[in-house]
Amino acid sequence: DIQMTQSPSSLSASVGDRVTITCRASQSISSYLNWYQQKPGKAPKLLIYAASSLQSGVPSRFSGSGSGTDFTLTISSLQPEDFATYYCQQSYSTPIFTFGPGTKVDIK
Amino acid sequence: EVQLVESGGGLVQPGGSLRLSCAASGFTFSSYDMHWVRQATGKGLEWVSAIGTAGDPYYPGSVKGRFTISRENAKNSLYLQMNSLRAGDTAVYYCARWNSFDYYFDYWGQGTLVTVSS
Repeated sequence: DIQMTQSPSSLSASVGDRVTITCRASQSISSYLNWYQQKPGKAPKLLIYAASSLQSGVPSRFSGSGSGTDFTLTISSLQPEDFATYYCQQSYSTPIFTFGPGTKVDIK
Repeated sequence: EVQLVESGGGLVQPGGSLRLSCAASGFTFSSYDMHWVRQATGKGLEWVSAIGTAGDPYYPGSVKGRFTISRENAKNSLYLQMNSLRAGDTAVYYCARWNSFDYYFDYWGQGTLVTVSS
């Protein structure tokens, strides 16, 4: 099975900060990597698919990059509504999927 | 508008069984692969099962042999039969629609809580 790791597991940041979250796969997954945002008590929401494609309606301050085993989610200027937990998910080994353990972004 | 509404969660004793349902609307249910994903309190997301449009099921090792996913296209419904439940199965269970063109979960339900405890 493909294992996913994320770093850091949590971070504290201020509004306006640039935030970078890293996701690593245990084997190459090409660009089959998605990013979701989850707020407490809510279902996850898709932000980025295919490593770098922005989902419709998602603000352009979110961006994704990477391929193979190493991927990055960047928030260019953190906004109050961005405080949440972020998960990566590999979609390479369809239909058997794995998520990363999550990165919690909270207020500094 | 696409909607997924889970039901059937509740409190069950270890070793017991529970059947979750997910009512789908706003799209052609039979044309989509569907999944169950769970989340224990304060923990991350864990993929639980999938069913293809032809009814082919898939499971991770943690639930294989105990959980059974099924679908009833005429009723636009997805099910998860959970047997031999353990404390570790306690979680919010989400049903999710899979976008097979771009390879992501595009719609999720609100979740239903399953608590396994004596």
